[in-house]
Amino acid sequence: DGGITQSPKYLFRKEGQNVTLSCEQNLNHDAMYWYRQDPGQGLRLIYYSQIVNDFQKGDIAEGYSVSREKKESFPLTVTSAQKNPTAFYLCASSIVQNTDTQYFGPGTRLTVL
Amino acid sequence: SQKIEQNSEALNIQEGKTATLTCNYTNYSPAYLQWYRQDPGRGPVFLLLIRENEKEKRKERLKVTFDTTLKQSLFHITASQPADSATYLCALGSGGGADGLTFGKGTHLIIQP
Repeated sequence: DGGITQSPKYLFRKEGQNVTLSCEQNLNHDAMYWYRQDPGQGLRLIYYSQIVNDFQKGDIAEGYSVSREKKESFPLTVTSAQKNPTAFYLCASSIVQNTDTQYFGPGTRLTVL
Repeated sequence: SQKIEQNSEALNIQEGKTATLTCNYTNYSPAYLQWYRQDPGRGPVFLLLIRENEKEKRKERLKVTFDTTLKQSLFHITASQPADSATYLCALGSGGGADGLTFGKGTHLIIQP
């Protein structure tokens, strides 16, 4: 089956620890994105990548880092510098074209204890 | 700054009636507008796209209108069913690149039997 996978579904972290969220796609999409969603809030863009070995900051990149070493993979690291990391994290991908329709993964819910 | 507004309160509709959701935007000239459905704890799923030069788009029981003068899109679900209950997000894109979409906060739709 083609699609986007995110792991784990639920993640717990102690305050002060870094944690990495996985995102993999087999849709052969060039572009990948990370969003954060908080209750009552819309999706806020953290980072995006159009091609391998290149990525751009979104609206709320502080305290996060990413890498794009392979077309299929776009892991997100939530660092200890992120002051309020508890949230629902969504990864998406799209073909680079004129409509940017995005295909989302199932999400990872991160809770900082 | 760009702003997208969707009904912030939940919308309660009786089964069988038409549900109408609103998406208004300011400080934006989108090339297209998209609607997504999101169920609790899951990633959004793409439903429909309408371009700036299109007035209306239909897909089965769904209809979207796009008025670039009013800066508004309406999303209709006819013959609504309890299974249509979800949060619906509108998203705007300028097209031509992979810097992605700007999402609204979403409207929570409840179809009551």
